[in-house]
Amino acid sequence: EDKVVQSPLSLVVHEGDTVTLNCSYEVTNFRSLLWYKQEKKAPTFLFMLTSSGIEKKSGRLSSILDKKELFSILNITATQTGDSAIYLCAVEGGFGNEKLTFGTGTRLTIIP
Amino acid sequence: SAVISQKPSRDICQRGTSLTIQCQVDSQVTMMFWYRQQPGQSLTLIATANQGSEATYESGFVIDKFPISRPNLTFSTLTVSNMSPEDSSIYLCSAENWGREQYFGPGTRLTVT
Repeated sequence: EDKVVQSPLSLVVHEGDTVTLNCSYEVTNFRSLLWYKQEKKAPTFLFMLTSSGIEKKSGRLSSILDKKELFSILNITATQTGDSAIYLCAVEGGFGNEKLTFGTGTRLTIIP
Repeated sequence: SAVISQKPSRDICQRGTSLTIQCQVDSQVTMMFWYRQQPGQSLTLIATANQGSEATYESGFVIDKFPISRPNLTFSTLTVSNMSPEDSSIYLCSAENWGREQYFGPGTRLTVT
């Protein structure tokens, strides 16, 4: 059975701090790992990672995948109160297993 | 990226009744999915909505309880049948073109009393 474990479950930091969120996984026939941000109802897409060692970056957010050790990290630098959200990691299987398995998420709270 | 809309955005229903949730994508997509997110939990896949054939359900979900239709490449419905308070959740539709990222609709918040 596919499995995704995120840590920490919850994190509270001050505005301006840098945070690192972790995601480890087990999946049949891995195709991709995705990061989402969920503030209210719908998760919004952040990154899709398919290759090891290639950092993806968008503004203050960046992410990298290690397919040998089966984990990914999401970094947020110079955090702002608008970064407060639940960050979800999900893995997608390959042909015949094309579904997303989500982790429980990391709840990030940024204190002004 | 695809833009996905869902109707209704929220509803309060009595136990024993059924609710049909609609999901519309602004472009043709290969795959559509339905997820449930119970209070304080992460997302759990209910089923993959297959165009022109029966949906593929995940373990713990059955067609009699969650019938799904997908008549074309842009539209799908999920019905929550014979509801009980345990069905109170957010129901999310998502869409993907093979090899691309999966996008989510805004969700339907269902409360069963």
